[in-house]
Amino acid sequence: QKEVEQNSGPLSVPEGAIASLNCTYSDRGSQSFFWYRQYSGKSPELIMFIYSNGDKEDGRFTAQLNKASQYVSLLIRDSQPSDSATYLCAVNQAGTALIFGKGTTLSVSS
Amino acid sequence: DTGVSQNPRHKITKRGQNVTFRCDPISEHNRLYWYRQTLGQGPEFLTYFQNEAQLEKSRLLSDRFSAERPKGSFSTLEIQRTEQGDSAMYLCASSLDRAASNYGYTFGSGTRLTVV
Repeated sequence: QKEVEQNSGPLSVPEGAIASLNCTYSDRGSQSFFWYRQYSGKSPELIMFIYSNGDKEDGRFTAQLNKASQYVSLLIRDSQPSDSATYLCAVNQAGTALIFGKGTTLSVSS
Repeated sequence: DTGVSQNPRHKITKRGQNVTFRCDPISEHNRLYWYRQTLGQGPEFLTYFQNEAQLEKSRLLSDRFSAERPKGSFSTLEIQRTEQGDSAMYLCASSLDRAASNYGYTFGSGTRLTVV
C-alpha cells in the first residue's frame, strides 16, 4: 500500500514568518513530488513540483526533496494571511496516478 | 480554453438513486483522472484514462461506480444505487501524458455530491 503521510495540523504561524510543511512517503520507487494548495471549498491548485534531490525555489516557496529519507518539504517564506489553506503533498511513479496525503492546514495570523 | 470543467457543481440525491457526473478536460490533454475527496482527507484516486482507454482503477471503485471516456474527450462518472457514504467531492483532473509525471495535473472545480 503506497502511503503519503502529512501532519494534519493546524500549523499556525504569524505573518512574515517561515512556514515549514513536511511529508513522508512509503514507495521508494516514487519519482515525482508535488505540492498543491487547497482553499476551503475549492479544488487543489498546483504550486510546486520537484523530482531531483535538493532544493527548488519559486518565489516565496522552496520545495526540498531527500529521496534517501523519503522526505519532501515545503517552505513558505514571508507567510501572508492569504497563504492560509490546506497544503497537499502528492507523489507518483511514471505512468501511475498521483497519491495524495491528507494535507496540512496552515493558518497565518496577521 | 477555460480549464477543466465539471458539471454539475452540486448534486443532492436520495439514497438508492443513480447519479452521473461529467468532466470536460483541457482540450489538448489526453489523460483524465477521477478522484474523490471527503472532509479532512486528501483526494483519493478512483480511475484514469489515457485517451479512451481506462488504464487504472482503484480498489475504491466498487461495482456501483463506472467511468467512461468514449471518444477520448469528455468523461462521465456514474454511481448506481447511491449510499450515504458516497457523499463527497468528486474531482476530475487532466494532463498531457508526457508531462504528468513532471508537471502534475490541473483539477476542475469538482462536483459535490450529497446523498440524503
